[in-house]
Amino acid sequence: GAVVSQHPSRVICKSGTSVKIECRSLDFQATTMFWYRQFPKQSLMLMATSNEGSKATYEQGVEKDKFLINHASLTLSTLTVTSAHPEDSSFYICSARELQGYGNQPQHFGDGTRLSIL
Amino acid sequence: GQNIDQPTEMTATEGAIVQINCTYQTSGFNGLFWYQQHAGEAPTFLSYNVLDGLEEKGRFSSFLSRSKGYSYLLLKELQMKDSASYLCAVLDSNYQLIWGAGTKLIIKP
Repeated sequence: GAVVSQHPSRVICKSGTSVKIECRSLDFQATTMFWYRQFPKQSLMLMATSNEGSKATYEQGVEKDKFLINHASLTLSTLTVTSAHPEDSSFYICSARELQGYGNQPQHFGDGTRLSIL
Repeated sequence: GQNIDQPTEMTATEGAIVQINCTYQTSGFNGLFWYQQHAGEAPTFLSYNVLDGLEEKGRFSSFLSRSKGYSYLLLKELQMKDSASYLCAVLDSNYQLIWGAGTKLIIKP
């Protein structure tokens, strides 16, 4: 159980392109989903917390107009990297937390999206 | 500020036992997680501790001492596939997950 599907797994595109990444919880409902970025040999960096039906909460230093997050349902959140540039190249990972409990449920991660901007 | 410390890298031998420590200072505490992350992959959940003591799950065990702000992950009968980074993360009073930088574990034959 607790499977999170993330697509696409890899994207290579030209500078200036917008890229959309989907994150789906397949067998559970998730009011909260998280978007992380990870550079090589570094730890996870939380970008934003996505709550179903409301605006995402962005971490300090993350541009909300550049990283658009939509959490339209209890099983789907999307991250759109708008007008991507080479410095946006990174490993983007989503996670979802099950609806039940007091927020102490573990986060379950998607397989990640490796984004390369040429 | 909130802080989680764990060693950057550890090396162990196949078949042996290794203990990865994690100390934390956070605003409140609602539990501590351990995740495993293989290179180029997303993290996978290993364990959750919210009460003091040892939780055993197969070859992996996790210990927590809330009074000391300390946890460890114990890996027994090490296998080559255990080579990965191990991430310690604490849920603070706002149920925000605070991540450690991870410990890279290298297993040698």
